[in-house]
Amino acid sequence: QQPVQSPQAVILREGEDAVINCSSSKALYSVHWYRQKHGEAPVFLMILLKGGEQKGHEKISASFNEKKQQSSLYLTASQLSYSGTYFCGAYQGGSEKLVFGKGTKLTVNP
Amino acid sequence: DAGVTQSPTHLIKTRGQQVTLRCSPKSGHDTVSWYQQALGQGPQFIFQYYEEEERQRGNFPDRFSGHQFPNYSSELNVNALLLGDSALYLCASSSQTGVSNQPQHFGDGTRLSIL
Repeated sequence: QQPVQSPQAVILREGEDAVINCSSSKALYSVHWYRQKHGEAPVFLMILLKGGEQKGHEKISASFNEKKQQSSLYLTASQLSYSGTYFCGAYQGGSEKLVFGKGTKLTVNP
Repeated sequence: DAGVTQSPTHLIKTRGQQVTLRCSPKSGHDTVSWYQQALGQGPQFIFQYYEEEERQRGNFPDRFSGHQFPNYSSELNVNALLLGDSALYLCASSSQTGVSNQPQHFGDGTRLSIL
């Protein structure tokens, strides 16, 4: 069962902020965030672990609410280079398979 | 330091044929995972190889099989190709140590088109 991402798409002007959410119906062990530009490979952004540890990107922040089984990715002062599709991947319910959501398409305009 | 490399980049096949895709992991990584990404969708986990064995498998039929070699490189084989197998096939490598806590590094993928 894949995690659910919201919103499906968002359009910003350069400098605006955005929040992308990822939720699961199962207990989350860790959440991984990736960004994929059209025609390119997904690029690792951040990992959030149970217990609050984070690994990843300096300019992007995220939260992990274990009780609500949710994670949110915060993109502040967006740049044109932030455009792409953002995927959350989750290790959930004791499974050792990384399951991805359907993605959130972010477009940043000048 | 070379990242994950996949070959070929594009492939066109017809229904019923068989295909083999190849992946070389990032230096220092020992675990390879394969994903299928349909247009407009997130990557779907096919299987994962470690120590030359399939360790985890997603919800894919037996037509999908794989192999990992002693140098950690891997192959994905798909038999009896269907139109629905048309997709981008991504290979990702990671370290098995604390695999769920480690980032996966993706290759650029192989675009497979079935006619």
